[in-house]
Amino acid sequence: EPEVTQTPSHQVTQMGQEVILRCVPISNHLYFYWYRQILGQKVEFLVSFYNNEISEKSEIFDDQFSVERPDGSNFTLKIRSTKLEDSAMYFCASRADQMEQFFGPGTRLTVL
Amino acid sequence: AQKVTQAQTEISVVEKEDVTLDCVYETRDTTYYLFWYKQPPSGELVFLIRRNSFDEQNEISGRYSWNFQKSTSSFNFTITASQVVDSAVYFCALSGRGGSEKLVFGKGTKLTVNP
Repeated sequence: EPEVTQTPSHQVTQMGQEVILRCVPISNHLYFYWYRQILGQKVEFLVSFYNNEISEKSEIFDDQFSVERPDGSNFTLKIRSTKLEDSAMYFCASRADQMEQFFGPGTRLTVL
Repeated sequence: AQKVTQAQTEISVVEKEDVTLDCVYETRDTTYYLFWYKQPPSGELVFLIRRNSFDEQNEISGRYSWNFQKSTSSFNFTITASQVVDSAVYFCALSGRGGSEKLVFGKGTKLTVNP
């Protein structure tokens, strides 16, 4: 069964460093998302991406964040200069037209 | 603005008990989707159900059932004869129809099923 994959599963970084989180959505899906979940809290929407551009972003998704689909398979989230409060689980999701979102297993980001 | 409220933060039951998880939502959209996701201790988000706002039929899938009532803006989830493997955090979520269809999640209900 096709699934969304994410790498790495756990990333530890120093404050101020850049990180790139990688996702491979399900191959025939057209809509891509990033969400984050701070430990013990609810899942929050960051950004959605369709037709090679951002379709919607939340107030969390400030200038420090960017997304890219560099080729036909990968979908990346870059945080330019990490802060302590960026520590969270980051989930990638994808969906086909008018279907539910399927989530990847997440990348746990720890900023020291 | 869209909002999902899961008033039950934690529920603890004994195996084989039935348990209902409550979900109340707010939206100005006339068409929308409602979802339930399960997050087991391993951390992934597992899709359970999607319901279209036009379809108020209750749904049953094995030990799981969902009660959608537009009149009370609720979409409750019942597990019948709970098992230890049902222990997880359960999230209710809402999306508009059309546009990005981003998910707005509730805060989740942590269910613990004790043997």
